[in-house]
Amino acid sequence: EADIYQTPRYLVIGTGKKITLECSQTMGHDKMYWYQQDPGMELHLIHYSYGVNSTEKGDLSSESTVSRIRTEHFPLTLESARPSHTSQYLCASRAGGNQPQHFGDGTRLSIL
Amino acid sequence: QKEVEQNSGPLSVPEGAIASLNCTYSDRVSQSFFWYRQYSGKSPELIMSIYSNGDKEDGRFTAQLNKASQYVSLLIRDSQPSDSATYLCAVNMEGTYKYIFGTGTRLKVLA
Repeated sequence: EADIYQTPRYLVIGTGKKITLECSQTMGHDKMYWYQQDPGMELHLIHYSYGVNSTEKGDLSSESTVSRIRTEHFPLTLESARPSHTSQYLCASRAGGNQPQHFGDGTRLSIL
Repeated sequence: QKEVEQNSGPLSVPEGAIASLNCTYSDRVSQSFFWYRQYSGKSPELIMSIYSNGDKEDGRFTAQLNKASQYVSLLIRDSQPSDSATYLCAVNMEGTYKYIFGTGTRLKVLA
């Protein structure tokens, strides 16, 4: 059973605010991912990390940034939220090799 | 051509029937294959992993992999209304970070 936690679960906030979405896992996984998913649509990779101090942008251009200072923690930040950022954000992690990704419960973000 | 293709559905099956979900992929180097179930508004949940040709069974679920034909399928036996969800196929190439997800097949099990 994967232990990966995302907070908050839901966030409704005004335009222009700085937002940080938290993601933590207790499994010691090196690989972590952030996806964006609109309702009924496919997953889009926006960031990933190989390990501490290693982050890369994914396939979908995103105005968000990430950091990986500790193995267990992979927060995503939006410096100035806009309505176009409204979406569900999913964090995932996996062990090395060809192991599957395990997802957190997601954060549903609404920017007014 | 998308790297991982799934029929978007909906695939409707009666309760108790076998649901068959298919996924094709374009990269012959792909090594690892996964099926996820995603309920509406929820996050994907891993159902099965399969790494070698043939069948792999887990309860009511059977994953089938054919690397020569570049497809992977998921069979759900004795389908239940609670199986109604979107099923995502994911493919990974060994040694890479990237997991390519299909757009998913929506399954509806009719009571």
